[in-house]
Amino acid sequence: GAVVSQHPSWVICKSGTSVKIECRSLDFQATTMFWYRQFPKQSLMLMATSNEGSKATYEQGVEKDKFLINHASLTLSTLTVTSAHPEDSSFYICSAEDREGLGKLFFGSGTQLSVL
Amino acid sequence: AQTVTQSQPEMSVQEAETVTLSCTYDTSESNYYLFWYKQPPSRQMILVIRQEAYKQQNATENRFSVNFQKAAKSFSLKISDSQLGDTAMYFCAFILNTGNQFYFGTGTSLTVIP
Repeated sequence: GAVVSQHPSWVICKSGTSVKIECRSLDFQATTMFWYRQFPKQSLMLMATSNEGSKATYEQGVEKDKFLINHASLTLSTLTVTSAHPEDSSFYICSAEDREGLGKLFFGSGTQLSVL
Repeated sequence: AQTVTQSQPEMSVQEAETVTLSCTYDTSESNYYLFWYKQPPSRQMILVIRQEAYKQQNATENRFSVNFQKAAKSFSLKISDSQLGDTAMYFCAFILNTGNQFYFGTGTSLTVIP
């Protein structure tokens, strides 16, 4: 199956700093990528849809100035958590849809963010 | 509105036995894809099985099979000969043919007991 690489897998940062998470589709082109947030033992919560070459679409309640998304190429989307605070600590997962595979969604391995 | 309901938050099964996970969904659309994803303790999301709504035949992938009842909007997952490696959170999901947003259920935590 298609591979989505997400980096870093784990990051600890001080409150007030910014953290960038990368999501790459390694063997297919992804015009659309998705960013999810997952709290312990809960389902995935869609944060935003990242479209190559255009602005991301954010879900209701997600601060676009807090969570900056850039999808500059067909294989790379980045999520930057700006001025991170402890309440931003969470597991973040990216995914990319392989249109060649007719609607299959492939996930990165996730990033555990801990803000001190 | 599109919704996915998994009514079993936790389940357990003895190794080598069979278990069925339930999923119901709601949509007014007729063309969509249904999925079961597995999230083991590593937290990597893994596609288990996929079903096209226009197909009446139930999808099968080795020990995993589904019971797709379109009229009832039901999409259950059966795991046969359960193995310890099947221990994971299982999420039911679907996507409309006309869209690109996946709708996930709340998940069922499955534990396989040795």
